Amino acid sequence: GAVVSQHPSWVICKSGTSVKIECRSLDFQATTMFWYRQFPKQSLMLMATSNEGSKATYEQGVEKDKFLINHASLTLSTLTVTSAHPEDSSFYICSARVSGGQQFFGPGTRLTVL
Amino acid sequence: GENVEQHPSTLSVQEGDSAVIKCTYSDSASNYFPWYKQELGKRPQLIIDIRSNVGEKKDQRIAVTLNKTAKHFSLHITETQPEDSAVYFCAASGGGGADGLTFGKGTHLIIQP
Repeated sequence: GAVVSQHPSWVICKSGTSVKIECRSLDFQATTMFWYRQFPKQSLMLMATSNEGSKATYEQGVEKDKFLINHASLTLSTLTVTSAHPEDSSFYICSARVSGGQQFFGPGTRLTVL
Repeated sequence: GENVEQHPSTLSVQEGDSAVIKCTYSDSASNYFPWYKQELGKRPQLIIDIRSNVGEKKDQRIAVTLNKTAKHFSLHITETQPEDSAVYFCAASGGGGADGLTFGKGTHLIIQP
């Protein structure tokens, strides 16, 4: 099956700093990747759709200037949480879509902002 | 936008019995409905999916049914085993899965030995 990796798997940072999370499709090319956020004991919420070579599409309520997404190649999308605050602490999960529509998820990145 | 409701939030069944989880969706344009299993701290794993041109799909002990008219779909797990214990999420999207997924709130399935 399709393999998606994320790096780092966890990160702790100070309030006000920025954190970059990488999402890679390892054995296939993904023109579209998605970024989700999951708070403890809650469901996954779609944050944005990342399209290779074009601007990301953000869901309502998600600040595009705070959550910067770059999809520079067919195998890599990055999410940068800028000026992170404790309320940004969450589990960030990316997914990559294969032809046929299935989405395969990365292992997630647990962000803790102190 | 799409809204997906999932019930129950917690389901406890005896090992060997069947489990059924139900979801409803609001957007009639949605046409792709996957189910994911997520263990604590892990990524969601796709266990089965169904598209709107199909009413039922089965894979060994797992089956999904879809009623487009009523806008609801269900996950059926038969002969449950302890390793089936996890949180299960239903989801919906349009564009045959090309769009992002809208998830239900999840069902914590507990298999009692």
